[in-house]
Amino acid sequence: KAGVTQTPRYLIKTRGQQVTLSCSPISGHRSVSWYQQTPGQGLQFLFEYFSETQRNKGNFPGRFSGRQFSNSRSEMNVSTLELGDSALYLCASSLRQGATNNEQFFGPGTRLTVL
Amino acid sequence: KQEVTQIPAALSVPEGENLVLNCSFTDSAIYNLQWFRQDPGKGLTSLLLIQSSQREQTSGRLNASLDKSSGRSTLYIAASQPGDSATYLCAPRQGGGATNKLIFGTGTLLAVQP
Repeated sequence: KAGVTQTPRYLIKTRGQQVTLSCSPISGHRSVSWYQQTPGQGLQFLFEYFSETQRNKGNFPGRFSGRQFSNSRSEMNVSTLELGDSALYLCASSLRQGATNNEQFFGPGTRLTVL
Repeated sequence: KQEVTQIPAALSVPEGENLVLNCSFTDSAIYNLQWFRQDPGKGLTSLLLIQSSQREQTSGRLNASLDKSSGRSTLYIAASQPGDSATYLCAPRQGGGATNKLIFGTGTLLAVQP
């Protein structure tokens, strides 16, 4: 079974631009979560989606948004990029929401550099 | 607000040693806790998941324990190998069935010397 895939793997953008990152979960998984990882802040939760609905959102400005499609694939968008948005963006996939045995699996990440 | 601390922040050991990584969390109302490893510049690899009702889980040379009441989890690695070198992260998931949100610690950077 293929793992979580994220595209693109690397991105270089300039301040003020916008970017869209994509995540394809493991086949059959319906829940997708996004995290931002930086050296200073570590891993921080962005948002999560289940059945095309955003279920939870982290403490990030409105420039960060996302969506989930009917095939469970998810995209996140960052508008008006700032230098501080440079980070590794990770996507996590799981079978469902809730349940104490619900294991989460991460993709390889998208490395975003903002110049 | 859940806060997760991992001790030590960094660890260097010779090959073959058994070692223990510690994780503590402030809010004991967790649903489960996952341990991950991360290689430099890579994504996270799930190692073990312990459900809130469990005391420990084992996978190969890895054993993780959970003491919810004291807010602690430990990851035991037996007979360490150079390939175990990575950053290890623990992540409790808060209680309630409406979210899969994980709160991550800052990690333990492990170096196993051949």
